[in-house]
Amino acid sequence: DVKVTQSSRYLVKRTGEKVFLECVQDMDHENMFWYRQDPGLGLRLIYFSYDVKMKEKGDIPEGYSVSREKKERFSLILESASTNQTSMYLCASSLWTSGRFTDTQYFGPGTRLTVL
Amino acid sequence: DQQVKQNSPSLSVQEGRISILNCDYTNSMFDYFLWYKKYPAEGPTFLISISSIKDKNEDGRFTVFLNKSAKHLSLHIVPSQPGDSAVYFCAASPPSSDGNKLVFGAGTILRVKS
Repeated sequence: DVKVTQSSRYLVKRTGEKVFLECVQDMDHENMFWYRQDPGLGLRLIYFSYDVKMKEKGDIPEGYSVSREKKERFSLILESASTNQTSMYLCASSLWTSGRFTDTQYFGPGTRLTVL
Repeated sequence: DQQVKQNSPSLSVQEGRISILNCDYTNSMFDYFLWYKKYPAEGPTFLISISSIKDKNEDGRFTVFLNKSAKHLSLHIVPSQPGDSAVYFCAASPPSSDGNKLVFGAGTILRVKS
């Protein structure tokens, strides 16, 4: 069964702290994604990765960085957390496809991050 | 500017009736569309999809309709059940050169009343 896990369900941090959000998938997927979900804005893509050590900016990368040292693990890093980064963070993975049709993305349960 | 829009933040439907969730998009190059369902405290799960070469795809109680000329798609749930109460996200895939990215709408909260 497909599984994407995220290291924490709830996290509270202070402004200026460095924050690590971890995501692990066990499906041998090439693609991994980080989104944030905010009311009225839906899911917005922060960063994604097609392969180990490879990363691409999404729509809202400012204030974030990522790391993908192993195929199964994709980390989101907030170098200096700010209150406007309070959000639900969702990780997803999918198989790489070269055709016209996108394979399904599988999501983790999410991490609710509060920055005080 | 949002390329995928779900203009109804919420929808309330009686159990057994039809639920219709709508989605509009602006980029005519989108070639694949998906619906995801999300319960509170869980990640979104894939529900149903449709490619741009089709105008309808059906899976049990769920049917997605695509009107390319209007850049509009809709999800029909018949009959609606209380367990369908969730947030529904519409998503679209950019042209294949952009790989496997998806662009999501803001979501519609569906409440099915028993």
